[in-house]
Amino acid sequence: KAGVTQTPRYLIKTRGQQVTLSCSPISGHRSVSWYQQTPGQGLQFLFEYFSETQRNKGNFPGRFSGRQFSNSRSEMNVSTLELGDSALYLCASSVQSTNYGYTFGSGTRLTVV
Amino acid sequence: QKEVEQNSGPLSVPEGAIASLNCTYSDRGSQSFFWYRQYSGKSPELIMSIYSNGDKEDGRFTAQLNKASQYVSLLIRDSQPSDSATYLCAVIRRGNTPLVFGKGTRLSVIA
Repeated sequence: KAGVTQTPRYLIKTRGQQVTLSCSPISGHRSVSWYQQTPGQGLQFLFEYFSETQRNKGNFPGRFSGRQFSNSRSEMNVSTLELGDSALYLCASSVQSTNYGYTFGSGTRLTVV
Repeated sequence: QKEVEQNSGPLSVPEGAIASLNCTYSDRGSQSFFWYRQYSGKSPELIMSIYSNGDKEDGRFTAQLNKASQYVSLLIRDSQPSDSATYLCAVIRRGNTPLVFGKGTRLSVIA
């Protein structure tokens, strides 16, 4: 059974650019969540999608957005990149309810220069 | 008060000893509790979940939950150098709300 797949693994972008990250959940998983991980702040919740609808949203500026497609694949977009957006972005999926925990993908390491 | 708190460590234990990792949470109504392990440069991996008061054992790992004290712990018996990692405590406050993570405790098992 394939795990959660995130692409790309690494990205280097320039301040002011925008970036799109992709996540394919485990087959049959309908909930996809996104987290930002930095050494100082740890894992911070960005948003969760379930059946193409945003079910939960974290406390991030509007530059961070996401969506989910009918096949449960999800993308997140960051516009007008800032140096502080450099982080590991992790996608996680769960079957339906988040109550049973998530399975994480390998992450996308974004560096903004 | 932070929602989920953990000592950042590092916690150093000798090989073969019991490692004890602790976590407190602020929302008394929290329902589900998880421990994740994260090796350096890797993503978090779920190792234990616990939903009711008491102990839950899985191999060398035991999770303990005390809702009255708002306290979760993870014991690792017969610690091995391969257990050296950061251990993240995560909590779900209500149904279908996101996991809230602590910042993690770094464990170092010395051979």
